[in-house]
Amino acid sequence: QQQVKQSPQSLIVQKGGISIINCAYENTAFDYFPWYQQFPGKGPALLIAIRPDVSEKKEGRFTISFNKSAKQFSLHIMDSQPGDSATYFCAASMSGGSQGNLIFGKGTKLSVKP
Amino acid sequence: DVKVTQSSRYLVKRTGEKVFLECVQDMDHENMFWYRQDPGLGLRLIYFSYDVKMKEKGDIPEGYSVSREKKERFSLILESASTNQTSMYLCATHGQGAVSYEQYFGPGTRLTVT
Repeated sequence: QQQVKQSPQSLIVQKGGISIINCAYENTAFDYFPWYQQFPGKGPALLIAIRPDVSEKKEGRFTISFNKSAKQFSLHIMDSQPGDSATYFCAASMSGGSQGNLIFGKGTKLSVKP
Repeated sequence: DVKVTQSSRYLVKRTGEKVFLECVQDMDHENMFWYRQDPGLGLRLIYFSYDVKMKEKGDIPEGYSVSREKKERFSLILESASTNQTSMYLCATHGQGAVSYEQYFGPGTRLTVT
């Protein structure tokens, strides 16, 4: 199975709240899990990434939580801001991402209300 | 800074026309990718290339072809455009052996086929 399943499809959060986006995968050979952020009119850009040897990675207000046994990973955005309004894609790759090929989730459109 | 440029931001073509979408990168990256992005379907890989004159089919290659004559340029060709090829097309690059496994995306070309 090559799929990466992402939920929810859309999310509305109040300013200052926590945004949580979830992804699940089947292929245990995946060993690199990035999140991409896309603003309207722009291409996606890497936000944060994790490898399965750690359960959590934090960069500023953005945290990836990784559960290897459940084959799930999630993005948490703390103190969400209107500027975080964007579409977020999770992805997965094999060989640590060295081949460059990514399997993307279908995306989550996040709206942060002021 | 990696720069990935796409020849057009918006393109309108008629059914049956031959369409060329161009992507140019300035980072000397070996790997280049073409995706299409549709609402609710996420990013789907059309074709990718690991080197000049090399190409590999992605998940949805039907109706498309590609050309990579120079390392920095990767073209997507719609031999006979159809209305179901109306979409956002994104080009991405990735450097083999790079410390970061990031894919760098262009701004996208929104193609409308009438």
